[in-house]
Amino acid sequence: GQSLEQPSEVTAVEGAIVQINCTYQTSGFYGLSWYQQHDGGAPTFLSYNGLDGLEETGRFSSFLSRSDSYGYLLLQELQMKDSASYFCAVAVRNKLSFGAGTTVTVRA
Amino acid sequence: DTGVSQDPRHKITKRGQNVTFRCDPISEHNRLYWYRQTLGQGPEFLTYFQNEAQLEKSRLLSDRFSAERPKGSFSTLEIQRTEQGDSAMYLCASSLEGSGRSYNEQFFGPGTRLTVL
Repeated sequence: GQSLEQPSEVTAVEGAIVQINCTYQTSGFYGLSWYQQHDGGAPTFLSYNGLDGLEETGRFSSFLSRSDSYGYLLLQELQMKDSASYFCAVAVRNKLSFGAGTTVTVRA
Repeated sequence: DTGVSQDPRHKITKRGQNVTFRCDPISEHNRLYWYRQTLGQGPEFLTYFQNEAQLEKSRLLSDRFSAERPKGSFSTLEIQRTEQGDSAMYLCASSLEGSGRSYNEQFFGPGTRLTVL
C-alpha cells in the first residue's frame, strides 16, 4: 500500500513563502505530484516531479528526493487566492494515491 | 466548456436506494478515473478505465459499486443499496495515455456530492 504524510494546516501572511513537506511510503513509484483544491472546487494539477530535483512553475516550485521518499511544494509571494488545500500524490501503476491535504490560510 | 463534467452535482437519497452518476471526460483523454473524497481527506481511488476496459478496481470498493464506460467515452458509477457511509463527494478525472507525467496530470470534474439519509 501507500501512505503519505503532510502537515494538516499552515497559516501565513500575504507575500510570505510557505513550504509544504510530503513524505511517502509506496511499493512502486511513478512520480510525485501536487494538487490544489479550493473549498467546494475540484482538485487542479499544480506540478509533477518524476526525477530528483526542483521544478519551477511561476510562483510555485516542487522538489523531490527519491532516496529520502520526500518532496515539498514551495509557494512564494503568497496571495489571498492561494488559500486552499494542497495535496501531494504519488502515482503507482494506474492510479494516484493522495495525502490528507494541507490547508493553507493566507492572512492579509 | 471542454473540461470534465459530472452529473448530477448533488444527489440526496434515502438509505437502500440505488444511485447512478455520470462523468464526461475531456474528449481526447482515453483514461478515466473515479475517486471518492470525504471531508478533510484527499481523494481516494475507486476505479480506472483505459478506453472501455476497466483495468483496476480498489479493494476497498464493495460489490455494491459498479462502473462502466461502454463506448470509451462517458462513464457511469452506480451504487446499489446505498448506506449512510457512502455519503461523500464522488470525483471523476481523465488523463491522456502515456507514462510519467500523464499518470500524474489528471483533470478533475466538479464532483457529485452524495448525501444518504
